[in-house]
Amino acid sequence: AQSVTQLDSHVSVSEGTPVLLRCNYSSSYSPSLFWYVQHPNKGLQLLLKYTSAATLVKGINGFEAEFKKSETSFHLTKPSAHMSDAAEYFCVVSDPDGTASKLTFGTGTRLQVTL
Amino acid sequence: DAGVIQSPRHEVTEMGQEVTLRCKPISGHNSLFWYRQTMMRGLELLIYFNNNVPIDDSGMPEDRFSAKMPNASFSTLKIQPSEPRDSAVYFCASSRTSGGLGNEQFFGPGTRLTVL
Repeated sequence: AQSVTQLDSHVSVSEGTPVLLRCNYSSSYSPSLFWYVQHPNKGLQLLLKYTSAATLVKGINGFEAEFKKSETSFHLTKPSAHMSDAAEYFCVVSDPDGTASKLTFGTGTRLQVTL
Repeated sequence: DAGVIQSPRHEVTEMGQEVTLRCKPISGHNSLFWYRQTMMRGLELLIYFNNNVPIDDSGMPEDRFSAKMPNASFSTLKIQPSEPRDSAVYFCASSRTSGGLGNEQFFGPGTRLTVL
């Protein structure tokens, strides 16, 4: 079975400083990994995805993530936080059951951005 | 492009009543997923369909919950009878499946259900 562990339930940064949201995965296969963002009272939006191509993946709004197989990690980063980045972020692994991409979600990391 | 459409956006009902949530997936997507999100349990997959056929309903909490997908453009999630512990945000998502890997899901805005 696939699983992801988000190491921090809450991260607080100052506007303009770097963001690091940590995620470790467990998989018996070559996984597909995603980061989704959820703003308050909104649905989930895909930030970026990794599917065994380039290990450094660039997403929307300046976010990127690096797939490190040796560390089983897929941490999300952004060089400079903006107030609008405040949201809940989910690391997700795809379960290749052959019929559909069943996703397993992490517990989420709430990002707070302060002035 | 319309995205995943869910209705209603908000539902308030009394315990014991039947509740029906509706979802229209993105045109051309052949997989549809129902999730429930609560503070206590986070985001849980309830059931998913592929080509209108239920594939995995192991996340459906109990017999009070049922889901149908009569055609490629419509799905319902029904709770009968509803209970206060069913209060949550219910999301529908869809994806285009090709080989099972790397297919991101597109989420609707959710239905916030409150059972009094």
